[in-house]
Amino acid sequence: QVQLVQSGAEVKKPGASVKVSCKSSGYSFISYDINWVRQATGQGLEWVGWMNPNSGYTGSAQKFQGSVAFTMDTSISTAYMELSSLTSDDTAVYYCARVVSVGPTRFFDYWGQGTPVTVSS
Amino acid sequence: DIQMTQSPSSLSASIGDRVTITCRASQTINNYLNWYQQEPGKAPKLLISSSSNLQSGVPSRFSGSGSGTDFTLTISSLQPEDFATYYCQQSYYTLPLTFGGGTKVEIK
Repeated sequence: QVQLVQSGAEVKKPGASVKVSCKSSGYSFISYDINWVRQATGQGLEWVGWMNPNSGYTGSAQKFQGSVAFTMDTSISTAYMELSSLTSDDTAVYYCARVVSVGPTRFFDYWGQGTPVTVSS
Repeated sequence: DIQMTQSPSSLSASIGDRVTITCRASQTINNYLNWYQQEPGKAPKLLISSSSNLQSGVPSRFSGSGSGTDFTLTISSLQPEDFATYYCQQSYYTLPLTFGGGTKVEIK
C-alpha cells in the first residue's frame, strides 16, 4: 500500500534551518510529483511547493522563494524539504503529499503524517 | 493567484442533517476543484476530485458539484464520523495551488 512517512518533530531557534524528510513506499517514486503543504496551529492549509522526482525540477510559492529548497534521493525513495532563516511564523505542521496529475487537474491522494516544526528562542 | 473562499467558516449540525458547504474561486477554474476532509491531529484526506469524482472508499453520502467559479460539497445525511474540517483546493493550470480557508463541521 502507498505510504508516505515523514521525519519527526523539530524545535529550532529563529534564524536556523530545518530539513524534513518524506519516505515513499508502495509505488514508483519517480512516477508522481511530491508537494509540500503546511498548517499553522488552528489555521488552514498553505501550499509550499512541488518537486518532480523524475526530472528533479522543483518550484515553490512566491513567499517561500529563496528560503525553501527541495531535494530527493531516488535510491531510497525519499524527498526532502529544507526551510532556512526560520522565524516564528514558520511554526507549523509540514505535510508531504503525493500528487496525481490528470491533464491540468492536480490533487493530493496520499499524505504523510505531518512533521511539527516549532521555531522558538 | 486564484483565491478560494469557503462558506460558512463553521457550522453546527445534527446527525442525519443535510449539510452543504460552498467554495467560490476568484476566477473561473473549470472543474479543477478538489475537496478534502481533515480530522483533528490528522492529515487531510481526499474526498472528491475534479468537482464531482468521489474517491474510492468515500461514502456515497458525500457529493460534489459545480463548475466555473462556484462549487458545493454536500453531505446528504451527516454521520458522527463526518465531524471534521473540510477544505477545497483548486488546480487550474498555473501555480500556486490554493486552498479555501476551511469549514469546520461541529455537533449541534
